[in-house]
Amino acid sequence: EVQLVQSGGGLIPPGGSLRLSCAASGFTFSSYWMTWVRQAPGKGLEWVASIKQDGSKKYYVDSVKGRFTISRDNAKNSLYLQMNSLRAEDTAVYYCAREHSDILTGYSFAGAFDIWGLGTMVTVSS
Amino acid sequence: QSVLTQPPSVSAAPGQKVTISCSGSSSNIGNNYVSWYQQLPGTAPKLLIYDNNKRPSGIPDRFSGSKSGTSATLGITGLQTGDEADYFCGTWDSSLSAVVFGGGTKLTVL
Repeated sequence: EVQLVQSGGGLIPPGGSLRLSCAASGFTFSSYWMTWVRQAPGKGLEWVASIKQDGSKKYYVDSVKGRFTISRDNAKNSLYLQMNSLRAEDTAVYYCAREHSDILTGYSFAGAFDIWGLGTMVTVSS
Repeated sequence: QSVLTQPPSVSAAPGQKVTISCSGSSSNIGNNYVSWYQQLPGTAPKLLIYDNNKRPSGIPDRFSGSKSGTSATLGITGLQTGDEADYFCGTWDSSLSAVVFGGGTKLTVL
């Protein structure tokens, strides 16, 4: 079964750090771009960061640049999000997601996320 | 303030058709593929449409997507109560080098 299993999250004081993990199974993890998307309580979706198959390219939303780091370990089929200098406005459910790719051509559709984790809540509060 | 603009809510009766619009600019919708997502309460988003109008395996043909210029539209026919959800559009923004989403549209099936 194709799935993404998330771990990490919790209550953290402002200025603190946290690492989220996302374990992939059922597909060739190293063949896909991977992404983190978050959703603040009662709000819409916000893309956070994406990483290329081999980790050579990374993109971030401006509000987390310099504070968050996306990474992956293809040997462990795992995706990570290291979050430092956390702020109250980072409070959200964080989802890891797989970017949709054409099976035949390998073309990756930016912004099309076809497999999602269940999400993990991160609450930044004192 | 989202980069892509969607109506906050739409409604229609069971069995009817509804459309949800998503407006952007040349740096996003105008020159990139659009995706649509359905998010049922308390669950992760689900990909309904990618590449403007393609459906992933398992998505019924009641759901359709189209794009014209800097706007995109999601259509849902044969509405069911189970379609009540939030719907989001998304695409790549070449100027921002970022994925951008619409603010979401809440669909009510009356």
